[in-house]
Amino acid sequence: AQSVTQPDIHITVSEGASLELRCNYSYGATPYLFWYVQSPGQGLQLLLKYFSGDTLVQGIKGFEAEFKRSQSSFNLRKPSVHWSDAAEYFCAVGATGAAGNKLTFGGGTRVLVKP
Amino acid sequence: DAGVTQSPTHLIKTRGQQVTLRCSPISGHKSVSWYQQVLGQGPQFIFQYYEKEERGRGNFPDRFSARQFPNYSSELNVNALLLGDSALYLCASSLLWGGTEAFFGQGTRLTVV
Repeated sequence: AQSVTQPDIHITVSEGASLELRCNYSYGATPYLFWYVQSPGQGLQLLLKYFSGDTLVQGIKGFEAEFKRSQSSFNLRKPSVHWSDAAEYFCAVGATGAAGNKLTFGGGTRVLVKP
Repeated sequence: DAGVTQSPTHLIKTRGQQVTLRCSPISGHKSVSWYQQVLGQGPQFIFQYYEKEERGRGNFPDRFSARQFPNYSSELNVNALLLGDSALYLCASSLLWGGTEAFFGQGTRLTVV
């Protein structure tokens, strides 16, 4: 069965500082990997995705993520955080093949941005 | 272009009642999935429908059911509501059955009292 672990429940970062959110997954085949962001009371917005190819993927809002198969990780990074980046971030692994489009999410990391 | 739309945005129900939530996918998308997000947790997969057929079901009781209509919109029904069903219910739209990204609506906040 697929699973996702986000080790950090909360992260506080100063505005302008860099940000890295950790994500580890478990999946038997080559995974589809996603990062979503959720503002309070809102739905999920897709930041970026990895299906295949280049292991460094670029997303919206200046985010990027790197797929490392050997470490089963897909960490999210941003070089310089803005106050508007305060939100909850979810990593997800997507099933492939016969399992359809089921997403399995991690527990999320809440990011607080200090002025 | 309209994104994924869900209705209603909020509702309050009493234990034992039944509720129906609605979702309209992005135009051209044929797959709709439903997720439950309990406060403080990540979303949990409930169902996936593609071309009006159920293609996946998560670990939820039979009180949960869904269907997809010819226009690809979908309804999620929950019977005999329990307090533990209080959650944000998210609908996700994707172009195909698998191998494509999912786009989420704003969700329906269900409170069971």
